[in-house]
Amino acid sequence: EIVLTQSPGTLSLSPGERATLSCRASQSVSSSYLAWYQQKPGQAPRLLIYGASSRATGIPDRFSGSGSGTDFTLTISRLEPEDFAVYYCQQYGSSPSFTFGPGTKVDIK
Amino acid sequence: EVQLVESGGGLVQPGRSLRLSCTASGFTFGDYAMSWVRQAPGKGLEWVGFIRSKAYGGTTEYAASVKGRFTISRDDSKSIAYLQMNSLKTEDTAVYYCTRSDTAMVDFDYWGQGTLVTVSS
Repeated sequence: EIVLTQSPGTLSLSPGERATLSCRASQSVSSSYLAWYQQKPGQAPRLLIYGASSRATGIPDRFSGSGSGTDFTLTISRLEPEDFAVYYCQQYGSSPSFTFGPGTKVDIK
Repeated sequence: EVQLVESGGGLVQPGRSLRLSCTASGFTFGDYAMSWVRQAPGKGLEWVGFIRSKAYGGTTEYAASVKGRFTISRDDSKSIAYLQMNSLKTEDTAVYYCTRSDTAMVDFDYWGQGTLVTVSS
């Protein structure tokens, strides 16, 4: 089973700053099978990025995804107040199975 | 607008059963695979299982942690997906989210608001 590791665990930034979140897989993952989600307190997760780099419907262009193989990145170009949340990466693997990373919390500095 | 509404959560004793429902609207339910994802209190996300659309055989897949205890089914005429949970354990305590899988069935493009299941004596 592929294990996803996210870093950092917590990222403390100010509005307007750039956020760079990392997701590392224990084995190579097809770029088509890597997604990112945002979860705010008390809410369900929301799909942000699929296929490693494609934005989901309605997602602002300040969110971007990149990477391949075992290293993937979610970048938020300029943090808005509503972007402070927990972010999860997720991969689809054979069997089939789905695994999530432990999450990165982006909080206000 | 795509909407997924879970129901059926609550407090249940270890070893007992519970059935969750997910009522969908805003899309052609029968065309999509549906998944369940759970989140224990203060923890991360864990995939539970999914059911393919009838076009892909309507078959199911489960996480190892629930295989043999949980069963997912669907009623396309009512646009409802079900999660039957048997032999519940305290570690099954979580918010259970119903999700729609994208057309490639590799991620989850819409989520319900979740329903809390608490397994405790």
